[in-house]
Amino acid sequence: EVNLVESGGRLVQPGGSLRLSCAASGFTFSTSEMVWVRQAPGGGLEWVSYIGSGGVIIHYADSVKGRFTISRDDAKNSLYLQMNSLRAEDTAIYYCVREQADCFDFWGQGTLVTVSS
Amino acid sequence: QAVLTQPSSLSASPGASASLTCTLRSDINVGPYRIYWYQQKPGSPPQYLLRYNSDSDKRQGLGVPSRFSGSKDASANAGILLISGLQSEDEADYYCLIWHSSAWVFGGGTKLTVL
Repeated sequence: EVNLVESGGRLVQPGGSLRLSCAASGFTFSTSEMVWVRQAPGGGLEWVSYIGSGGVIIHYADSVKGRFTISRDDAKNSLYLQMNSLRAEDTAIYYCVREQADCFDFWGQGTLVTVSS
Repeated sequence: QAVLTQPSSLSASPGASASLTCTLRSDINVGPYRIYWYQQKPGSPPQYLLRYNSDSDKRQGLGVPSRFSGSKDASANAGILLISGLQSEDEADYYCLIWHSSAWVFGGGTKLTVL
């Protein structure tokens, strides 16, 4: 059974940093493309970042480019999102998602990041 | 102007059909784009429903009923999610998605009420 479990979300001050993790199980993580998607409270979905298998191809949304870094550790079946220079508008639930054949087919339950003083 | 525009809300009766639209910005031609649709119920992550580009290039999500289907309206420059035989459990938020300019882009979502 595919399982994605995010962790690391918490309250952080504006300008601060945070590292989110996603533990994957139930599938071959090393050959999977992965993305982060976020959702502001009461808001819609926003794609944040993509990382291909092997970690060579990476894409970011313009809203986070230069501040966020996606990475993966295939030996640990884990996906990460390093978030720096956090802003109030980064407040959201962050979902770890598997992308397979162009489809976001499995989603974690999400981890809440709150940026506030 | 947003890349993808969805009506914020839609209401329909049980047993009826609902057509949810996803309109692409006027400078983006819907023709070659795969349109992906997701359903999200309160307190849960989104779930993949289907992908539609053409009748020869479409893919239903695993376990998604056939009463969920996709299409395009070229004259409206839009992707469409059609839900037939509406059930109360279809009440949810629906999001469209495309891959555009090296980025995934979601529509703002439509809240479907079944009453």
